[in-house]
Amino acid sequence: QQPVQSPQAVILREGEDAVINCSSSKALYSVHWYRQKHGEAPVFLMILLKGGEQKGHEKISASFNEKKQQSSLYLTASQLSYSGTYFCGSTSTMNRDDKIIFGKGTRLHILP
Amino acid sequence: SQTIHQWPATLVQPVGSPLSLECTVEGTSNPNLYWYRQAAGRGLQLLFYSVGIGQISSEVPQNLSASRPQDRQFILSSKKLLLSDSGFYLCAVSRGSYEQYFGPGTRLTVT
Repeated sequence: QQPVQSPQAVILREGEDAVINCSSSKALYSVHWYRQKHGEAPVFLMILLKGGEQKGHEKISASFNEKKQQSSLYLTASQLSYSGTYFCGSTSTMNRDDKIIFGKGTRLHILP
Repeated sequence: SQTIHQWPATLVQPVGSPLSLECTVEGTSNPNLYWYRQAAGRGLQLLFYSVGIGQISSEVPQNLSASRPQDRQFILSSKKLLLSDSGFYLCAVSRGSYEQYFGPGTRLTVT
């Protein structure tokens, strides 16, 4: 099943914070986050594994709630360069050959 | 680290013409390879994936096919393109970890 992302789109001013959610009806083993700028390929941001630690650095981080089958991406003090479409993808097993199922994406637009 | 090449970068083809898109990978061996298609403003649709030479799994029945003639080469083909085949075709690679990386993509316009 395709994970559900929310919101579908968000507009922020530079310096504001954003949270993008990704939820699944199936048990999750891994959650993958990507950012795609217009006309470019998706760029890998981070991966969270079941039982693993929260990932990220100062400005971009993510959490993984196994019980709720949900992950959230946190963008702190957003910069203009954060604009783009964010995709989450998920797998349900620890099999490294398991296919990633992607959500429909969240469009983020940062205004100066 | 691995490098993913996709060729060509852009392509305009008439309906009914054949298609061949190529993806090659450097810097890793025995990778898992994937073909995705992204329609304009849409999400990522997995088309094919391969865990080894000659091993292809199809996700969506359509007029496309894929082949993996060499360990680090993945080819997407069609005998007759449809208008609905237009899109951004992305090759992706994973190797030994759960992380998956995308190539630069090929933008296909079918006219």
